[in-house]
Amino acid sequence: NAGVTQTPKFQVLKTGQSMTLQCAQDMNHEYMSWYRQDPGMGLRLIHYSVGAGITDQGEVPNGYNVSRSTTEDFPLRLLSAAPSQTSVYFCASSYRTGANGELFFGEGSRLTVL
Amino acid sequence: KQEVTQIPAALSVPEGENLVLNCSFTDSAIYNLQWFRQDPGKGLTSLLLIQSSQREQTSGRLNASLDKSSGRSTLYIAASQPGDSATYLCAGHSGANNLFFGTGTRLTVIP
Repeated sequence: NAGVTQTPKFQVLKTGQSMTLQCAQDMNHEYMSWYRQDPGMGLRLIHYSVGAGITDQGEVPNGYNVSRSTTEDFPLRLLSAAPSQTSVYFCASSYRTGANGELFFGEGSRLTVL
Repeated sequence: KQEVTQIPAALSVPEGENLVLNCSFTDSAIYNLQWFRQDPGKGLTSLLLIQSSQREQTSGRLNASLDKSSGRSTLYIAASQPGDSATYLCAGHSGANNLFFGTGTRLTVIP
């Protein structure tokens, strides 16, 4: 059982470059979300989705785009990377909405923007 | 906005000790509270989920309690082992689709 799979695990970008962090889950979870983890700040919600075709902004959405064309996949796009986006990114999913269900996390994607 | 605080930031204990990790939150209208474990360079693993109508949850050597009126949750670890060494995070839901995380307590269990 793969759970929540994130790729890539590590990425280095130059300022202004674009990239997509991939997230896939095989648990048929309706709720998926992206968090970033920064030292001393805890995890903060970037975007979330409560089902295919439905996305919404979290606490820190600026500079990021998401889409949810299937139940399984929830990619996070950085259109023009900035050094402030250097962080560890986590994808998480839940059977119910995030308010009710146990969250399952991927292993993270460490992004460095030079 | 929900603010979640975890004190202490780091804790070292000898193997076999019982210990308590603390989590406090500002919004008493919390919907549920989850405790997670994070190993270095890894993702978060859910340990216990306490729903709004519950006061505690137990799993093996772990027991988590939730007191909404005082804005506190505690994670009790019995008979600690070196394998328990990790960072423990609590996160609270206030009804929206967002979990507010504390910055964690880094636990080291010394053999």
